[in-house]
Amino acid sequence: QKEVEQNSGPLSVPEGAIASLNCTYSDRGSQSFFWYRQYSGKSPELIMFIYSNGDKEDGRFTAQLNKASQYVSLLIRDSQPSDSATYLCAVNRLDSNSGYALNFGKGTSLLVTP
Amino acid sequence: ETGVTQTPRHLVMGMTNKKSLKCEQHLGHNAMYWYKQSAKKPLELMFVYSLEERVENNSVPSRFSPECPNSSHLFLHLHTLQPEDSALYLCASSQAVSGRLGTDTQYFGPGTRLTVL
Repeated sequence: QKEVEQNSGPLSVPEGAIASLNCTYSDRGSQSFFWYRQYSGKSPELIMFIYSNGDKEDGRFTAQLNKASQYVSLLIRDSQPSDSATYLCAVNRLDSNSGYALNFGKGTSLLVTP
Repeated sequence: ETGVTQTPRHLVMGMTNKKSLKCEQHLGHNAMYWYKQSAKKPLELMFVYSLEERVENNSVPSRFSPECPNSSHLFLHLHTLQPEDSALYLCASSQAVSGRLGTDTQYFGPGTRLTVL
């Protein structure tokens, strides 16, 4: 069973702080990792993807991947109230049978308070 | 985001009705997906189509019937649904090449909020 685990939250951070969202996965063969943001009542939108160990930065967002420890995290710097949403972690193995199928976590609810 | 569109956006149906959900992608992708999202549950992959052929069917009840007439369109035909089928149904697409990093990013449509009475 391929599992992607996230703390459901809510994670509450004050405006301007760094929000840290974590995700662990069980399948050691996983090769690609995604963070999606989903506002209430809306569909998921892609924030970042990461394939290599280490950090990947895009604006206020930094994804961190540690394959040895099987975790991927998302840091949001200078958090804004508009960042309040559910953040979904998704993982893919990319072998011939599952190259199309992302495994999603349940998501972490983030609340940024003014 | 207009890359992936879905209609209708909201649907209320009785258990004896037959209805269809439509998805269209304007991104030139070769793979399309149906997901179900229920409250408090992770996204559940229902069906995957690659180059108009179904490549994955995750034990979905037969009351859900997908159809992919071409690489841009995907339908989900519904009949004899149950109240527990009420959920947000999301369509996604990707330009997937199995085994190739960078090709499996999926882009979602706005979803259809389905209520079964």
